[in-house]
Amino acid sequence: GENVEQHPSTLSVQEGDSAVIKCTYSDSASNYFPWYKQELGKGPQLIIDIRSNVGEKKDQRIAVTLNKTAKHFSLHITETQPEDSAVYFCAAGRGQNFVFGPGTRLSVLP
Amino acid sequence: EAQVTQNPRYLITVTGKKLTVTCSQNMNHEYMSWYRQDPGLGLRQIYYSMNVEVTDKGDVPEGYKVSRKEKRNFPLILESPSPNQTSLYFCASSLRQGNSPLHFGNGTRLTVT
Repeated sequence: GENVEQHPSTLSVQEGDSAVIKCTYSDSASNYFPWYKQELGKGPQLIIDIRSNVGEKKDQRIAVTLNKTAKHFSLHITETQPEDSAVYFCAAGRGQNFVFGPGTRLSVLP
Repeated sequence: EAQVTQNPRYLITVTGKKLTVTCSQNMNHEYMSWYRQDPGLGLRQIYYSMNVEVTDKGDVPEGYKVSRKEKRNFPLILESPSPNQTSLYFCASSLRQGNSPLHFGNGTRLTVT
């Protein structure tokens, strides 16, 4: 089955700097790669996703890149703000069945 | 407001006492799923349902049951809870077609003593 690794497990950045979270997956058949943000006391919420036929996708300060050959994908957050502080999960899979990474706790320091 | 509602938010119980965590969605989604979240392990799928009366095991189904008698509801049942089921549980729903985003509830923190 699919296995997803995520690094780093914790990340601290200064406000205004960029943050990068990387994930690797094992199943070459996976074709959908969503990213979720979880704030304290809430459920995860989708922030961006990418499909295997696309190499990069951007939404304002957030971007995701996918390297199918190397089986890894990354989340990039530019101009970080305190409200970006949260736990971020990557996931990989097909259809509605996907596996989540263990999460990255991002802290944006003012 | 489109949402997934779980109840209760917090639950403390004792080993062996049957409990049910309810989940309801108002988005007419076909797909519903339960996850447990443990530190360092991310979200692991317990059970999922592609539609009414159709349920399937996820990655960690042992000790859990589910039912899907109505489209909007997907309760999680622990017939005989044990301390290793102490965890944070999330219900989620989505449209059935592939690659539709999951909508999560706000979680149920369960402690089994």
